[in-house]
Amino acid sequence: SQTIHQWPATLVQPVGSPLSLECTVEGTSNPNLYWYRQAAGRGLQLLFYSVGIGQISSEVPQNLSASRPQDRQFILSSKKLLLSDSGFYLCAWSPQVNYGYTFGSGTRLTVV
Amino acid sequence: AQTVTQSQPEMSVQEAETVTLSCTYDTSENNYYLFWYKQPPSRQMILVIRQEAYKQQNATENRFSVNFQKAAKSFSLKISDSQLGDTAMYFCAFMMGNTDKLIFGTGTRLQVFP
Repeated sequence: SQTIHQWPATLVQPVGSPLSLECTVEGTSNPNLYWYRQAAGRGLQLLFYSVGIGQISSEVPQNLSASRPQDRQFILSSKKLLLSDSGFYLCAWSPQVNYGYTFGSGTRLTVV
Repeated sequence: AQTVTQSQPEMSVQEAETVTLSCTYDTSENNYYLFWYKQPPSRQMILVIRQEAYKQQNATENRFSVNFQKAAKSFSLKISDSQLGDTAMYFCAFMMGNTDKLIFGTGTRLQVFP
């Protein structure tokens, strides 16, 4: 069966520090992968998506970047965090177009 | 651009009763998909139900059903026989055909009371 792993679950980082959040999917190959952010009291905003290794599409220009070094690995990064980067980050994957996503358990990031 | 609107920030319902959550969307496309996701206090996003726009029949999953009104661009979720475990944020989401990108509404917080 397919599973998605996301870590860490919680992270507190100072302003100006780097960030690396990792997401991996097991039990499938060539999944579509997504990074969403959920700000407090708001809906989910699509940040990045990837349809294959090295293929990254950015939805919103910001202080973050994403990479897909392996088929089932998706990484969200920042060189220097801002206070506004605080939020709940969710990774997701889909087995096929228009099917819907399966989400990871999320990372709560607090920038102090 | 497509938008999804959930006009009810909060709802409450008594256990065993029925509640309906509203969702409207805006699109000029004919080929699209609609979803309801549940986010309990654990914050794990769980797919509740999926509707294909070209299907007239409303989707149903156990106690969860939708009222899909394509002309009105409305996609409401009905929860029957509400249970305490239904307490969660509920998000309506839209996906244009062949794009695989979900656009979410701002959510409705549902509280089920004993």
